[in-house]
Amino acid sequence: TGVTQSPTHLIKTRGQQVTLSCSPISGHRSVSWYQQTPGQGLQFLFEYFSETQRNKGNFPGRFSGRQFSNSRSEMNVSTLELGDSALYLCATRSFPGVRDTQYFGPGTRLTVL
Amino acid sequence: GQSLEQPSEVTAVEGAIVQINCTYQTSGFYGLSWYQQHDGGAPTFLSYNGLDGLEETGRFSSFLSRSDSYGYLLLQELQMKDSASYFCAVNRDDKIIFGKGTRLHILP
Repeated sequence: TGVTQSPTHLIKTRGQQVTLSCSPISGHRSVSWYQQTPGQGLQFLFEYFSETQRNKGNFPGRFSGRQFSNSRSEMNVSTLELGDSALYLCATRSFPGVRDTQYFGPGTRLTVL
Repeated sequence: GQSLEQPSEVTAVEGAIVQINCTYQTSGFYGLSWYQQHDGGAPTFLSYNGLDGLEETGRFSSFLSRSDSYGYLLLQELQMKDSASYFCAVNRDDKIIFGKGTRLHILP
């Protein structure tokens, strides 16, 4: 099976918080999160490997994540703003390496009202 | 800073060949990748250039020239199903940085 994400769609209001989930391909231990918007394209949020955050993009501290021992990952956005409306994608790979072949999940469409 | 520049849109005719360019202002990266994303779908990996030169995978080829800070994706024998967005990406400091994508329109 491929990368799975849940939920597929989500509607929240400003000020609320949200948690998104990503289950990697079996054997993949690295999970990265991206925000995709029409104006900014795909922007890197963070990457987790072996339950540790390896890298972080330029997003405010309202965006956080974690990874569990089974490699599943969650990301959380607190105090939602209208500008957080986007498609959130996770991508997984066996382990962080030079050849960056990642496998993307279908994404979670977040709408903030 | 670091950025990758791609044309926002390209239009081509079914059966033809199209080239999507990617120029970058970053150094010290490991290679250039290309991803395809259909409307409503997830990005899928197409190709990777770790070294300068041409990589061919079926109808798709990708090229990298580090000296020119330039790469491209070449799609041959275009089919309607190739209508999608195409992203170039580099791996720098283990962060994968994407271009903003090129929307490919294919005319019958």
